[in-house]
Amino acid sequence: AQSVTQLGSHVSVSEGALVLLRCNYSSSVPPYLFWYVQYPNQGLQLLLKYTTGATLVKGINGFEAEFKKSETSFHLTKPSAHMSDAAEYFCAVSDNRDDKIIFGKGTRLHILP
Amino acid sequence: DGGITQSPKYLFRKEGQNVTLSCEQNLNHDAMYWYRQDPGQGLRLIYYSQIVNDFQKGDIAEGYSVSREKKESFPLTVTSAQKNPTAFYLCASSKTDRGAGNTEAFFGQGTRLTVV
Repeated sequence: AQSVTQLGSHVSVSEGALVLLRCNYSSSVPPYLFWYVQYPNQGLQLLLKYTTGATLVKGINGFEAEFKKSETSFHLTKPSAHMSDAAEYFCAVSDNRDDKIIFGKGTRLHILP
Repeated sequence: DGGITQSPKYLFRKEGQNVTLSCEQNLNHDAMYWYRQDPGQGLRLIYYSQIVNDFQKGDIAEGYSVSREKKESFPLTVTSAQKNPTAFYLCASSKTDRGAGNTEAFFGQGTRLTVV
């Protein structure tokens, strides 16, 4: 069965510092991987996705993530944090066997002035 | 504009009552999903449907029911059998043609259900 583990339920970084949110997945077949962002009392918005091809994927708002098969990881990074990045971030996994999309428990990102 | 509409945004229910949450999409997606979100627990899958008139249980289906009579609509009923229904409920949809790279889900704005 697929699963997603996000390390750290809360992460705090200073404005302008590097953002690193960690995600490890478990899947017996090649996965599709996603990062979503959620602002309070709203739905989820797709930041970026990996399906096939280039392992470094770029998303919206300056975020990017790298698929590392050997480490079963898909960590999310942004070189310089902005106050508007404060939100909850979810990593998710799917594959081509069915349409289930499994989410991690989320990481709340706090930006310190 | 295409998208997913959930209604209402806020819903209050008395204990022992059934309540139905609406989800409509005009994205022409085959697959639709219901997730429940609780603080610190992420999104947990309640039910999903890959095609009209068919649906599968997710990880926490007990106390919930769904129907998929139309491609555009996937209503969720929270029954009185659900012991702790207060939560934020999210509906999503996606294409099922994964070969074209259309793998992601699109979400509605959610319904916050409170039992009073």
